[in-house]
Amino acid sequence: DAGVTQSPTHLIKTRGQQVTLRCSPKSGHDTVSWYQQALGQGPQFIFQYYEEEERQRGNFPDRFSGHQFPNYSSELNVNALLLGDSALYLCASSLGTSRTDTQYFGPGTRLTVL
Amino acid sequence: GDSVTQMEGPVTLSEEAFLTINCTYTATGYPSLFWYVQYPGEGLQLLLKATKADDKGSNKGFEATYRKETTSFHLEKGSVQVSDSAVYFCALSGEGGSYIPTFGRGTSLIVHP
Repeated sequence: DAGVTQSPTHLIKTRGQQVTLRCSPKSGHDTVSWYQQALGQGPQFIFQYYEEEERQRGNFPDRFSGHQFPNYSSELNVNALLLGDSALYLCASSLGTSRTDTQYFGPGTRLTVL
Repeated sequence: GDSVTQMEGPVTLSEEAFLTINCTYTATGYPSLFWYVQYPGEGLQLLLKATKADDKGSNKGFEATYRKETTSFHLEKGSVQVSDSAVYFCALSGEGGSYIPTFGRGTSLIVHP
């Protein structure tokens, strides 16, 4: 049973560019959440997708957007990249949107903005 | 808003020592509380959770008790192993309709043979 997978593993971009990160949830899971983890910090919640809609959103600007496809996979898009967007981006999947549901995390995508 | 405070690391222990990693939180009502572990180069894994006051979560020899009166959820293990070396994150999900999970900054644990 494949767990949560993310691509690419690493990415280097320059300021002002746009980036798309991809996530495939654990088999059977219908909910995907995205997090940003800066070096030495805990993950910060970006947003959550369920039934192809954004259900919850953290304190991130509109430059961060996402999408969920009918097969439950998801994309995170970041426009007009800033140096401060350099971080590990984690995807987590769960079955349902309850706050007590167990989330399963992928290994992350390391984004470096130069 | 909600917040989680963890003891700063790194915590350095010898194998078979007793482990405590402190975690306190600020939230309204009765949040759900979690401990996650992150091994080098990997994503986070749920270690244990507790969803109501006085609940004890446990897994792989680790335990944590949800203490409402002290707003704490300290992680303990009686005898650590080298393989327990990792970063541990305390987290909460608030009560009510808004799901926005909040994580602490993480505590690095280093266990020497």
